[in-house]
Amino acid sequence: GAVVSQHPSWVICKSGTSVKIECRSLDFQATTMFWYRQFPKQSLMLMATSNEGSKATYEQGVEKDKFLINHASLTLSTLTVTSAHPEDSSFYICSVGGRDLYEQYFGPGTRLTVT
Amino acid sequence: AQRVTQPEKLLSVFKGAPVELKCNYSYSGSPELFWYVQYSRQRLQLLLRHISRESIKGFTADLNKGETSFHLKKPFAQEEDSAMYYCAIKVDSSYKLIFGSGTRLLVRP
Repeated sequence: GAVVSQHPSWVICKSGTSVKIECRSLDFQATTMFWYRQFPKQSLMLMATSNEGSKATYEQGVEKDKFLINHASLTLSTLTVTSAHPEDSSFYICSVGGRDLYEQYFGPGTRLTVT
Repeated sequence: AQRVTQPEKLLSVFKGAPVELKCNYSYSGSPELFWYVQYSRQRLQLLLRHISRESIKGFTADLNKGETSFHLKKPFAQEEDSAMYYCAIKVDSSYKLIFGSGTRLLVRP
């Protein structure tokens, strides 16, 4: 399966600032990546589908202007949380769609804390 | 709308006991279902998928379309099975997954 990394693993930022999270597919060219959000003791909620070379597809209720996604290459997708607020504090996880269409490979996640 | 329901937040069993983690889904199309597992301090990983009909780490899951269920079972639980288990359904022709709320399995010695 694909090896997926995320950077940073943990970030603290002040309210009103922006923070960028990177998701890299280390050994697999990923045309499709996914961004999830997970609140403590809750399930993963899909935020958006990131397609290489095209605009991301956002799930209902997710503000595309607040959560900017860029998938400029087959190995890198970035999620930028703009003008972060404390309620944006969460665990952000990316995944890569596998070759066989049935499996997603997940990154280790990034914990964002907005103070 | 597609939905995955895992009614139990926590399931606690003793080592060697049988375990069943429940999962029910609602989907109008032909479902593709998965179980993902997250061990402590590790990333989410695929445990098994219904189309492969295989047993992974002693776990099996059968898709019951009549009951719209995909329960995960293991006849004899081990302490190392303690983890968060998420049932998920794949929707349409993309990779998009809808996850259940998860069940924490705790296997006591």
